[in-house]
Parts: sequence; C-alpha cells; structure tokens
Amino acid sequence: EVQLVQSGAEVKKPGESLKISCKGSGYSFTSYWIGWVRQMPGKGLEWMGIIYPGDSDTRYSPSFQGQVTISADKSISTAYLQWSSLKASDTAMYYCARGRSFDIWGQGTMVTVSS
Amino acid sequence: EIVLTQSPGTLSLSPGERATLSCRASQSVSSSYLAWYQQKPGQAPRLLIFGASSRATGIPDRFSGSGSGTDFTLTISRLEPEDFAVYYCQQYGSSPTWTFGQGTKVEIK
Repeated sequence: EVQLVQSGAEVKKPGESLKISCKGSGYSFTSYWIGWVRQMPGKGLEWMGIIYPGDSDTRYSPSFQGQVTISADKSISTAYLQWSSLKASDTAMYYCARGRSFDIWGQGTMVTVSS
Repeated sequence: EIVLTQSPGTLSLSPGERATLSCRASQSVSSSYLAWYQQKPGQAPRLLIFGASSRATGIPDRFSGSGSGTDFTLTISRLEPEDFAVYYCQQYGSSPTWTFGQGTKVEIK
C-alpha cells in the first residue's frame, strides 16, 4: 500500500525549534516530489514548498522562503519540515503529500505553539 | 506567482442537484496542470482531478473537470450526501511555486 505517515502532534513554546517528518512507503520514494501544505485553524490550504528526494531539488513558496526548511533523507524514505524559531502564528495542521498533483496525503501533523 | 480565484465561496444545493465550481487563474496555467481536491472536516484533502480533466483513481464519474488557459471548472453531476465538503483547485505548472485557490464550500441547502 502506498502511504505517507507523518510524525505525531507537537506542542511547543515560541522561539523553540521543531522538525516534523513524513515517511513514504509502498513506492519509489526518490521518484516523486514530496510537498508540504499548511492549514491554519478554520482556513484553506497553503502550498509551502516541495522537494524531489532523488536529487534534493527544493522549491519554496515566497510566503515561506526563509521561514522553514524542507529536507529529505532518501536512505530512510523520509521528508522533513523544520523551523528554527517557532511563532504562535505557526500553529496549524501540516500535511505532506506526494507528487506534483498531490495524489497521496499524509494524515497531518498538528503543531501548536503557545506560551 | 499565479493566483487562483475560486467562485462562489459557498454553494448551497440539495442532494441530486448539479454543482458547478469555478477556478480562475491570474495567468495561463501551462499544460493544463490544474488539480481539484475535496476536503471533509477532520480529514486530509483527497485528489479528485488532475491535468484539468483526468479523474484520479477511484473517483466516481459524477465528478468531472474541464477548462484550459485561465478558466477551469469542476462539475458534480448529481450531488450525493457524501459530496458536501470544501473543494480546492491547485495549479502545478508554474515553477517554482504551485498555488491553491481559497476553496469553495458545498453545503446542504
């Protein structure tokens, strides 16, 4: 079965760092883009950025460039989304998804940033 | 960056009716790299349509996509109770950023 499994929910304080993960299985991880999508509470989907694990080609939305870092470790079929200094406004559900049109989605990771 | 504008914001319809959702791009979407997604509360989005008009695996044929250039449409021919949800379009033809529309909510009238 093709699937993406994301790491669990996180509760953090402002200023802390965080790295969440997305593990692919059931397909060739290096042959498909993996994208990250933010959904703030009660809001729509926002495309954050995308990585091609085969060569680590990475692109970012201008809205998220410099705010997050996307990476991947193809040896363990896992993509990552990380923050160096979280803000309360980073509170959201984060999804990873496969491909250019996102045909497979992870279950989502809820990130809560609160003092 | 291509901006996608979806209309209407909310569509109030009854089961069995036809739903027509619009997605307009601020500039031409190359090679019709336009997708549609459905999202229900508490769930991850699901791909319905890619390449503007191709149904994803397992998607019922009451869902259809059309359009090219800057104007795209998702049509649900006869609404089933499980189709009431939020729908998003996304363009993935214009590198480096691939944007979503703001969504259309299809609600029960």
